Amino acid sequence: AQSVTQLDSHVSVSEGTPVLLRCNYSSSYSPSLFWYVQHPNKGLQLLLKYTSAATLVKGINGFEAEFKKSETSFHLTKPSAHMSDAAEYFCVVSPFSGGYNKLIFGAGTRLAVHP
Amino acid sequence: NAGVTQTPKFRVLKTGQSMTLLCAQDMNHEYMYWYRQDPGMGLRLIHYSVGEGTTAKGEVPDGYNVSRLKKQNFLLGLESAAPSQTSVYFCASSIPGGVGTEAFFGQGTRLTVV
Repeated sequence: AQSVTQLDSHVSVSEGTPVLLRCNYSSSYSPSLFWYVQHPNKGLQLLLKYTSAATLVKGINGFEAEFKKSETSFHLTKPSAHMSDAAEYFCVVSPFSGGYNKLIFGAGTRLAVHP
Repeated sequence: NAGVTQTPKFRVLKTGQSMTLLCAQDMNHEYMYWYRQDPGMGLRLIHYSVGEGTTAKGEVPDGYNVSRLKKQNFLLGLESAAPSQTSVYFCASSIPGGVGTEAFFGQGTRLTVV
């Protein structure tokens, strides 16, 4: 069975410091992995995705994630947090489904950024 | 570019009432989805459609019905609302594709059942 575990429900950082949001996945096959961001009262926006090409994936707004098969991890990082990064972040695994674009969501990590 | 549009954005229902949530996409996507978002649980798939006139059950379909009469629209119905259906509902759409195909989301509908 496929699943996603986001290891922290809340992360708090100071503006200008690094961000690390942790995600572990479980999948029988080599999956695709996504990070989505949800700003307050907004829909979900794709930050980045991994689809078996380069293991280090760069996304929008300075975020990047590294796929580590041996650790079954896909952690999201950013060198320097900005106030506008405060949002909820979802790690998503997309296993082969055979019928539709199945997405399995993690529970989410709420990122707070303090001045 | 409108993308995926959901109406209404907010709604309060009394237990037992019915309502329909409308999702419209202007990207000519074949696939459409309805999710619900509950605190600490991420998004869970309610129903999905892989084309006009087709629908299928997702992870949490009980208490909901859907219809896809037109390619661009996907309706989610609650026949008899229950407090357990208080949630934020998201519609999404995508092109057909294998692993790694991006889904585009609407802004959500916040539903409260009292």
